[in-house]
Amino acid sequence: NAGVTQTPKFRILKIGQSMTLQCTQDMNHNYMYWYRQDPGMGLKLIYYSVGAGITDKGEVPNGYNVSRSTTEDFPLRLELAAPSQTSVYFCASSYLGQNTGELFFGEGSRLTVL
Amino acid sequence: RKEVEQDPGPFNVPEGATVAFNCTYSNSASQSFFWYRQDCRKEPKLLMSVYSSGNEDGRFTAQLNRASQYISLLIRDSKLSDSATYLCVGKSDKLIFGTGTRLQVFP
Repeated sequence: NAGVTQTPKFRILKIGQSMTLQCTQDMNHNYMYWYRQDPGMGLKLIYYSVGAGITDKGEVPNGYNVSRSTTEDFPLRLELAAPSQTSVYFCASSYLGQNTGELFFGEGSRLTVL
Repeated sequence: RKEVEQDPGPFNVPEGATVAFNCTYSNSASQSFFWYRQDCRKEPKLLMSVYSSGNEDGRFTAQLNRASQYISLLIRDSKLSDSATYLCVGKSDKLIFGTGTRLQVFP
């Protein structure tokens, strides 16, 4: 099993550009999440999904969109990139939601907006 | 006040030392707690859950004190490979990650 795979690993965007961070998992997990991690800050939840066709906002959803058309894939869309979106983005999945506390994270995508 | 607070460190300790990290939480409704480990420029990985009675996994011991609202992680006989950032995580209706405590073990 590859686990959770994120692409790209690194990306530089100009202000106002758009892009999609891809995330796929092969563990047949229903729950998937997108977090961002900024220096000196804890992981912040952007969006999450409890199953195909269902998504919901987390703590910091502004400027982002997601979709969940399949169990495996959970892409994160950035529209009109801003410098404040410079961050490391982690996709994660879990089998039983957050009750067990065990999330499986991808390796992260480092995004810089200039 | 942050919901989960940690001393950012760094804690610099020699190999073989015992080191302890504390984490405080403000939401008394938090039900469960966990420690994650994050290596430099890598993703977080679950290290261990924290049970009310305390629990041990090899050289690692986690404790929960609900009265004082803090969680601790004790690492005995530190190894160079223990160098990482340790994230304290609390769960009420969702997981709340602390900012992490950095540990550097030197030879």
